[in-house]
Amino acid sequence: GENVEQHPSTLSVQEGDSAVIKCTYSDSASNYFPWYKQELGKRPQLIIDIRSNVGEKKDQRIAVTLNKTAKHFSLHITETQPEDSAVYFCAASQGDYKLSFGAGTTVTVRA
Amino acid sequence: DAGVIQSPRHEVTEMGQEVTLRCKPISGHNSLFWYRQTMMRGLELLIYFNNNVPIDDSGMPEDRFSAKMPNASFSTLKIQPSEPRDSAVYFCASSLNGRRDEQFFGPGTRLTVL
Repeated sequence: GENVEQHPSTLSVQEGDSAVIKCTYSDSASNYFPWYKQELGKRPQLIIDIRSNVGEKKDQRIAVTLNKTAKHFSLHITETQPEDSAVYFCAASQGDYKLSFGAGTTVTVRA
Repeated sequence: DAGVIQSPRHEVTEMGQEVTLRCKPISGHNSLFWYRQTMMRGLELLIYFNNNVPIDDSGMPEDRFSAKMPNASFSTLKIQPSEPRDSAVYFCASSLNGRRDEQFFGPGTRLTVL
């Protein structure tokens, strides 16, 4: 089955700096890559996603890039703010229902 | 538009008791998922329903766990008898048929089995 690895496991950044989280996947058939943000005690929320027919997608301060050849994708958060502090999960899917999740990255934005 | 609704939000019970978790998916969503989240194992898919029919229950840990979806707007996850190792946060998620992998999560039920 699909194996998704996520790095780093923790990330501390100064407010206003950028944060980058990287994920690799094993199954070349995977074609959908969502990112979820989970604040403490809350639900995972879908914040951005990308399908394999594009290489980059942006939504305000967040962006996701995909390199299908290398089988990795990344989340970029620019101009980080304290409310960006959360656990971020990447996931991969072959376009069916099964999402394979990464282990999560705990992001702390220092004021 | 209401998101996925789950109840109860918190449940504390004693070992051996029956626990029932409830979920109402987003209106119009045909796919429903039950997940379990723990620190050790992360997010695990327990069961997936499509049009009220269980499609994949390979993630259900053992016979003590059962899930039903009697109609398009309601699902239950039951644990009987419960054990301390079942303590976790249980999430329900739903999605549209055409985009089953775009899943929207409910607020979760935090279960503690003493």
